Amino acid sequence: EVQLVESGGGLVQPGGSLRLSCAASGFTFSKSWMSWVRQAPGKGLEWVANIKPDGGEQYYVDSVKGRFTISRDNVKSSLYLQVNSLRAEDTAVYYCARDVVVITAAHYFDSWGQGTLVTVSS
Amino acid sequence: EIVMTQSPATLSVSPGERATLSCRTSQSVNSNLAWYQHKPGQAPRLLIYGASTRATGAPARFSGSGSGTEFTLTISNLQSEDFALYYCQQFHNWPLAFGGGTKVEIK
Repeated sequence: EVQLVESGGGLVQPGGSLRLSCAASGFTFSKSWMSWVRQAPGKGLEWVANIKPDGGEQYYVDSVKGRFTISRDNVKSSLYLQVNSLRAEDTAVYYCARDVVVITAAHYFDSWGQGTLVTVSS
Repeated sequence: EIVMTQSPATLSVSPGERATLSCRTSQSVNSNLAWYQHKPGQAPRLLIYGASTRATGAPARFSGSGSGTEFTLTISNLQSEDFALYYCQQFHNWPLAFGGGTKVEIK
């Protein structure tokens, strides 16, 4: 059974940083594209970033470019999101998800974690 | 950037009835569309991909249709566990985008 378990969320002041983690099990992590998707309070889902199986390529939504960094450790079957220069609008539940790649650039998500809450407030 | 519009925002349905949810995209995505179910505090769940293919484990009462810019998720014979939020997602272009969601609530 595929399991994705996020951790690392919390309350942080504007301008602060956090490192989110996602522990994966039940599938061959090193062969899977992985994503972070977030949901702000009262809002819909927003794809944030994803990373190629070997970690060699990363893609980001424009609003987080230069502030967030996605990475992975295939030995530990873990996905990470370093979030820096946080803003109030980054407040959200952050989900780890496994990508299904149909063709290049065509991704949807077949497994999700339960999320970790990041609250940016002074 | 493709804009996704779901309607209605809220749908009130009685158990046993049919629910019809709509998703519209600002430009054609062919059949590159997925539907997800999301309950509060839980992980989102893939229901439909490729506009009409049910995901593993998705009950047969969930069906998807459409192509291009107009898509529909139909839930037949609504069960109590189906009351939730539903999102569509296009995977035709970057950035990947979700609709704003439709909440299916008990009438």
